[in-house]
Amino acid sequence: TQLLEQSPQFLSIQEGENLTVYCNSSSVFSSLQWYRQEPGEGPVLLVTVVTGGEVKKLKRLTFQFGDARKDSSLHITAAQPGDTGLYLCAPWGGSNYKLTFGKGTLLTVNP
Amino acid sequence: DADVTQTPRNRITKTGKRIMLECSQTKGHDRMYWYRQDPGLGLRLIYYSFDVKDINKGEISDGYSVSRQAQAKFSLSLESAIPNQTALYFCATSEMGGKAFFGQGTRLTVV
Repeated sequence: TQLLEQSPQFLSIQEGENLTVYCNSSSVFSSLQWYRQEPGEGPVLLVTVVTGGEVKKLKRLTFQFGDARKDSSLHITAAQPGDTGLYLCAPWGGSNYKLTFGKGTLLTVNP
Repeated sequence: DADVTQTPRNRITKTGKRIMLECSQTKGHDRMYWYRQDPGLGLRLIYYSFDVKDINKGEISDGYSVSRQAQAKFSLSLESAIPNQTALYFCATSEMGGKAFFGQGTRLTVV
């Protein structure tokens, strides 16, 4: 059984601050996806990382896949209130071809 | 029109009633999923289907059943609803590589 942990579970920061959230697993995966969910809505895919060590940037968001393809991080620079939401990671491959998610990090960015 | 449509969006039902949540998709994906979301518990997988003839239990299938009527339709049933099944339910479809598309959710309250 894979163990998937996201940390921190909750994060409340002021506008303009930087932050990093983490997704860690005991298993190796083919790829990993990050989603953001806003209140009352379904999750929306932000990015997929595939190669160990890969770094992808999406405006102020930087995603990194660990060299061993067991963990990932999401860094947000100069957070804005519009970044508020639940950030979920979902590994793919290995033992997880059924698309399960971490519990998520609930981010609140205060004006 | 949304790629993944869930009906109803909101439902209040009484304990012991049978209820069906419906999901339809226009993405043309073979893979479909039902999730339940509770505060602090992230998205938990109830059932998933990789094609019309393939139905699999997820992490929390007890008390639920599903029907895959066609590639585009995947329904979730609660045979005898109980209050602790009060939650936000999401349907999703995914590509072969795991990229998922979610419906807007059904908020179910069992009284």
